Amino acid sequence: AQTVTQSQPEMSVQEAETVTLSCTYDTSESDYYLFWYKQPPSRQMILVIRQEAYKQQNATENRFSVNFQKAAKSFSLKISDSQLGDAAMYFCALGRGGSEKLVFGKGTKLTVNP
Amino acid sequence: DARVTQTPRHKVTEMGQEVTMRCQPILGHNTVFWYRQTMMQGLELLAYFRNRAPLDDSGMPKDRFSAEMPDATLATLKIQPSEPRDSAVYFCASGLSRDRVRGYGYTFGSGTRLTVV
Repeated sequence: AQTVTQSQPEMSVQEAETVTLSCTYDTSESDYYLFWYKQPPSRQMILVIRQEAYKQQNATENRFSVNFQKAAKSFSLKISDSQLGDAAMYFCALGRGGSEKLVFGKGTKLTVNP
Repeated sequence: DARVTQTPRHKVTEMGQEVTMRCQPILGHNTVFWYRQTMMQGLELLAYFRNRAPLDDSGMPKDRFSAEMPDATLATLKIQPSEPRDSAVYFCASGLSRDRVRGYGYTFGSGTRLTVV
């Protein structure tokens, strides 16, 4: 069975500062993907970043980057230069081989303070 | 940008009534998913289709829920009869299976917020 754990129900950060959201996972698959999704109050699920397990290089998308530790089964999201628009629920998700069904963590609510 | 379109956005219904939620996946996507989001359970997969064929509906209460893809441009999720515990946000998402290209993650619709009173 695949599981995803987000141990921080809530986090807060000052505008322009950096914050890291944690995620650990468990899977017996060798071919898998990891994702971070953002869900603002509008409830739209927005793909922030993804990481292929076979790639050692950490994925980056502008101010968003991940720290993928495959052996430790850890996949944290770093948001640099936090903006008010980054305030949202963030979900870590694990998928098998690309567009297969995803298993989601419970989410971390991020507050950005002005 | 291509979008997954879900209708209705909100639905309030009385217990026992039939509810139908619709989803238009992104053109060209061959995999469609239905997820349910609640505060208690988080995001749960209900069912998913590839090339319109159901691959997994183990997350769905079989006695009252049904999911179909009448054609490549429409997926439906029906609840009959509805119960208050079905109140949740229901998301549709679409993507490309790895048979064609390495998937890059789903695109989600805006969800249908269902309230059963």
